[in-house]
Amino acid sequence: NAGVTQTPKFQVLKTGQSMTLQCAQDMNHNSMYWYRQDPGMGLRLIYYSASEGTTDKGEVPNGYNVSRLNKREFSLRLESAAPSQTSVYFCASSAGQGNGYTFGSGTRLTVV
Amino acid sequence: TQLLEQSPQFLSIQEGENLTVYCNSSSVFSSLQWYRQEPGEGPVLLVTVVTGGEVKKLKRLTFQFGDARKDSSLHITAAQPGDTGLYLCAGAETSGSRLTFGEGTQLTVNP
Repeated sequence: NAGVTQTPKFQVLKTGQSMTLQCAQDMNHNSMYWYRQDPGMGLRLIYYSASEGTTDKGEVPNGYNVSRLNKREFSLRLESAAPSQTSVYFCASSAGQGNGYTFGSGTRLTVV
Repeated sequence: TQLLEQSPQFLSIQEGENLTVYCNSSSVFSSLQWYRQEPGEGPVLLVTVVTGGEVKKLKRLTFQFGDARKDSSLHITAAQPGDTGLYLCAGAETSGSRLTFGEGTQLTVNP
């Protein structure tokens, strides 16, 4: 099984540009998540989707939007990138409450 | 927002030494998970502890959940260079599926 697949792995954007980070899981998990990881700040939740058809804000949602396209796919969109959004972004999925997360390998985004 | 504090933030030891990493909170969690992350990869789940006072062993790694379900520890016996990585604890909220992550402990085991 591939698990959780994220694309792209690396991306450089200019301030103001937009882009979508893609995430797909093949484990039939109900819940999916987007986190950003910054030095000294750990993993912070941006948005999550507890089940297909629902999305909710996490700890740091400003500047981002998400779409739960179907049970497999959960995308993260930056409408107007800012240097403060330079980070490593991780997508994760889980079977639900109390279950562990499976993470993708991350997208390293630099906004210049 | 539930917060998790990990200590120490950095740990550099020699092969063969023992170590303990702590994860503390003022909040009660329904379960506590430990992950290990290597450079360029996402975190990988090591263990989930659910019951207050629970102890789980995974080879040389011992995980404990506090009696009040507010804290946890990870003890590694006879550390090896392959144990090098970022160790993250994560608490599950009492309702829903969200996890709150600690900032992590960067462990380096020198040969």
